[in-house]
Amino acid sequence: DAGITQSPRHKVTETGTPVTLRCHQTENHRYMYWYRQDPGHGLRLIHYSYGVKDTDKGEVSDGYSVSRSKTEDFLLTLESATSSQTSVYFCAISSVSDHEQYFGPGTRLTVT
Amino acid sequence: EDQVTQSPEALRLQEGESSSLNCSYTVSGLRGLFWYRQDPGKGPEFLFTLYSAGEEKEKERLKATLTKKESFLHITAPKPEDSATYLCAVPGGSYIPTFGRGTSLIVHP
Repeated sequence: DAGITQSPRHKVTETGTPVTLRCHQTENHRYMYWYRQDPGHGLRLIHYSYGVKDTDKGEVSDGYSVSRSKTEDFLLTLESATSSQTSVYFCAISSVSDHEQYFGPGTRLTVT
Repeated sequence: EDQVTQSPEALRLQEGESSSLNCSYTVSGLRGLFWYRQDPGKGPEFLFTLYSAGEEKEKERLKATLTKKESFLHITAPKPEDSATYLCAVPGGSYIPTFGRGTSLIVHP
């Protein structure tokens, strides 16, 4: 299994509070991604990173920010959580050689 | 805009009843096609990459094939443990993949 961990695995938070999710990899892969997965929508890309301090937006980036200060860590921040951000969040990694993505176990976030 | 459509949305099979899942795509310049398996409560697990029309790959009871417009995931003599959601994805610009919504497969014993 690819060495990808996500923390926390579950979180319940209140509307308006900031939330940070962490993705950590031990594979030294260049690319890292954050997705959300919702019924009826499938996997949707939030942000991705193609190197340390190099990030770009995905199709559903509004309300989210990311940071990557080290190769192994990719942080996703919800600046002010809303109920529409209740979802399961997955981190993924890929290498430059084959672009196959390997996913973490997910974080279930509930915003009340 | 890249598009990926999977059918059927859901499929119920009896153990041993072979079938196929479909992934049709529209992309400007195929850079490959990925298949993933996702079990409930877990992240997608990589299965195959196909790069060109005519290519086939196999893993246990699964065989993936690719044409210029679609890919099929053939499941031969499935077992209950093959029950999962199967996702396909096509990389677009900068190799960012577009995912289909998946086919939920249930295999009854």
